[in-house]
Amino acid sequence: GNSVTQMEGPVTLSEEAFLTINCTYTATGYPSLFWYVQYPGEGLQLLLKATKADDKGSNKGFEATYRKETTSFHLEKGSVQVSDSAVYFCALSGGGYQKVTFGTGTKLQVIP
Amino acid sequence: EAGVVQSPRYKIIEKKQPVAFWCNPISGHNTLYWYRQNLGQGPELLIRYENEEAVDDSQLPKDRFSAERLKGVDSTLKIQPAELGDSAVYLCASSTDPTGSLEMETQYFGPGTRLLVL
Repeated sequence: GNSVTQMEGPVTLSEEAFLTINCTYTATGYPSLFWYVQYPGEGLQLLLKATKADDKGSNKGFEATYRKETTSFHLEKGSVQVSDSAVYFCALSGGGYQKVTFGTGTKLQVIP
Repeated sequence: EAGVVQSPRYKIIEKKQPVAFWCNPISGHNTLYWYRQNLGQGPELLIRYENEEAVDDSQLPKDRFSAERLKGVDSTLKIQPAELGDSAVYLCASSTDPTGSLEMETQYFGPGTRLLVL
């Protein structure tokens, strides 16, 4: 079946540092890939997505590239801010309907 | 546009008691999902509705969990009786027609109901 593996947290960075959160997946066919973000006390929000190989999703300075050859969808941001502190979930959607499989989440803490 | 609304936000009950969660999806979204998110884990799908029909309930523990979506809008998820292991955050999400373009794959999540069973 489908699965998502993402790096364990928490990840602690200083403000303006470079961020990478690794995500790899296992799926049959050609899934769509997502990054969701969950701020404290809130629901999940879609951060970005990519629907086919070599697509790059981007939003709010974050970006991730769909790499089919390495089955990866790593999240990056060049300069993090304190307001980026949240839990980030990698997810995929595959099959004939919108069955979304989530990773376990990576907590990011950005300190001033 | 209003987002997905869930209530209550928090619920504390004793084991063996019943509990119910309510969800109001985004207007016009025909697909509704209930997820359970255990501490430190990603959400796991419990049930998916297309309008009023439950089209995927394979992960729903049917001995104690039930759900309904009357009139294809609001939905209620019930647990009876609750067990200690049911403590989790229950998330509701909605989306538009999944049989359409890939743009329709985005699920919009509510803030969740945090359940604590003592």
